[in-house]
Amino acid sequence: DAKTTQPPSMDCAEGRAANLPCNHSTISGNEYVYWYRQIHSQGPQYIIHGLKNNETNEMASLIITEDRKSSTLILPHATLRDTAVYYCIVRFRGSTLGRLYFGRGTQLTVWP
Amino acid sequence: NAGVTQTPKFQVLKTGQSMTLQCAQDMNHEYMSWYRQDPGMGLRLIHYSVGAGITDQGEVPNGYNVSRSTTEDFPLRLLSAAPSQTSVYFCASSFEGTTGELFFGEGSRLTVL
Repeated sequence: DAKTTQPPSMDCAEGRAANLPCNHSTISGNEYVYWYRQIHSQGPQYIIHGLKNNETNEMASLIITEDRKSSTLILPHATLRDTAVYYCIVRFRGSTLGRLYFGRGTQLTVWP
Repeated sequence: NAGVTQTPKFQVLKTGQSMTLQCAQDMNHEYMSWYRQDPGMGLRLIHYSVGAGITDQGEVPNGYNVSRSTTEDFPLRLLSAAPSQTSVYFCASSFEGTTGELFFGEGSRLTVL
């Protein structure tokens, strides 16, 4: 599975969009990009995933560059409850889903 | 809905003691896995299972054993606890498929003295 690089920390004003970047320059054509977040010491929570196209759900949007070497998770209207560590993960399509490797992620702090 | 249930939530052990962290899921998921998380670190995969009777090692398997006799349960055994195993342990499960969603338990905080 390809490695990812994320900034260790970011902050964002409440109500503004939070844009969290992720570099995955060695990603291959069959690897998906996943995002999870972890609030305090709770178990991580799935946010979104994608392969090539941009994706949107009720939580966030995922923008993947055309060359697929990087992506951005967008929280359109950040709230204080979005303060968490966000993990970007890439996974080979054929690998077992349980074998996900989490890095250190990005600590997002949303301030009032 | 219970989801993924881990027990115990907290445990203190002495070096050399053994114990089992329990994990159960009621979603009929094929995939289950164990992670550990140390302060300031991301999650590291210990062991995982793709179905009953099938297990495999992850990134940091040493000092831990697992078995998968049923679809629902995936216990993690510490054979001889060491202070380096002080950590928070998370169990996770998912369907086989393309949704990509891992469901995590609330974690088990283990301290080895």
